[in-house]
Amino acid sequence: EVQLVQSGAEVKKPGESLKISCWGSGYSFSDYWIGWVRQMPGKGLEWMGIIYVGDSNTRYSPSFQGQVTISVDKSINTAYLQWSSLKASDTAMYYCVRRDNFGWYFFDYWGQGSLVTVSS
Amino acid sequence: ELVLTQSPVTLSLSPGERATLSCRASQSVSSSYSAWYQQKPGQAPRLLIYGASSRATGIPDRFSGSGSGTDYTLTINRLEPEDSAVYYCQQYGSSFAFGGGTKLEIK
Repeated sequence: EVQLVQSGAEVKKPGESLKISCWGSGYSFSDYWIGWVRQMPGKGLEWMGIIYVGDSNTRYSPSFQGQVTISVDKSINTAYLQWSSLKASDTAMYYCVRRDNFGWYFFDYWGQGSLVTVSS
Repeated sequence: ELVLTQSPVTLSLSPGERATLSCRASQSVSSSYSAWYQQKPGQAPRLLIYGASSRATGIPDRFSGSGSGTDYTLTINRLEPEDSAVYYCQQYGSSFAFGGGTKLEIK
């Protein structure tokens, strides 16, 4: 069974750094792209970026370029999303997603979400 | 930048009725790159439709998708109370984009 399991909720202060994780199981992790999607409170879905696990080729949405870093450690089947200096506006639920492997460009599996709260 | 506009924003229908949800893209996209997701409160989104019209594994045939170019539609027949959710379209142009969502309420 394919699963994406994300790290737990975080409460941080503005200016702090953070790295959340997404562990994949039940499939060949290195053969797929893993993306991240933001959902601010009461709002819709926003695509942030995506990384190919096999070679760490990474692409960012222009809206998030320079604001976050996506990385992966394929030896432990884990992808990461990190911030160097959080802002209150980073408060949101963050989902990791697996992109299909057949060139159709959709997200077939979603993690359960990691809630990030940034507040002084 | 690809922008997706979903309509209506909210939709209230009765059990047994049909729901028609629209997604319009700011530029033409390949139907192969069109998908729909369902999100219920407190849950992660779930893939419903990919390639504009192919149902994902385990999705009932009450759900169907269609469209091409800039206009895509999700149709839900014989509505059930459990279909209450927010529905998002997603497309891929040079990058991924989501629509703003349609909230479907089953009265």
